[in-house]
Amino acid sequence: NAGVTQTPKFRVLKTGQSMTLLCAQDMNHEYMYWYRQDPGMGLRLIHYSVGEGTTAKGEVPDGYNVSRLKKQNFLLGLESAAPSQTSVYFCASRGSQGDTQYFGPGTRLTVL
Amino acid sequence: LAKTTQPVSMDSYEGQEVNITCSHNNIATNDYITWYQQFPSQGPRFIIQGYKTKVTNEVASLFIPADRKSSTLSLPRVSLSDTAVYYCLVGVKAAGNKLTFGGGTRVLVKP
Repeated sequence: NAGVTQTPKFRVLKTGQSMTLLCAQDMNHEYMYWYRQDPGMGLRLIHYSVGEGTTAKGEVPDGYNVSRLKKQNFLLGLESAAPSQTSVYFCASRGSQGDTQYFGPGTRLTVL
Repeated sequence: LAKTTQPVSMDSYEGQEVNITCSHNNIATNDYITWYQQFPSQGPRFIIQGYKTKVTNEVASLFIPADRKSSTLSLPRVSLSDTAVYYCLVGVKAAGNKLTFGGGTRVLVKP
């Protein structure tokens, strides 16, 4: 039982490049989330999903897209990366009956 | 979600008790109080959740006064490994769709 895993752990992009971050959970959780955390700051919700095939915008969705084609996976895409998207990205999941969000180890993204 | 205010940082020494108070003056009737812990380079981890009075688990205690406008996370006999950022969140139980993390309290445990 790996919990929540994120791929990749680190990535450096040039401005304008695109990439996809993968989040996978093996706990059969309904809800999944993408957050970003800037240095010294709390986490901010980007997008979330309440089930397979559904997604919704969070607090800071601009510049990101997401997809939840399979229940266990939640993908975060950056179509045209900008330096302002340099951050650490955390994925989390939660069961439909649970209160706790379980977080992945994070992806450190640098956009030059 | 109700806004929370907590100290930016706190220092302590090994073996001491650390108490972090969070203010949430506009907490709603059906809001719960939840605390998360985040170590450097890791995602947050759930510590404890409560609605009123006192909740205790193997990691911490949570004290909530009758008016529920504040809460105090108590970490007994801290060790160096308790150095982390602690976040106080207030919201409807299981309303995980919209967890709002503030800046948190950075706790530094010294030897």
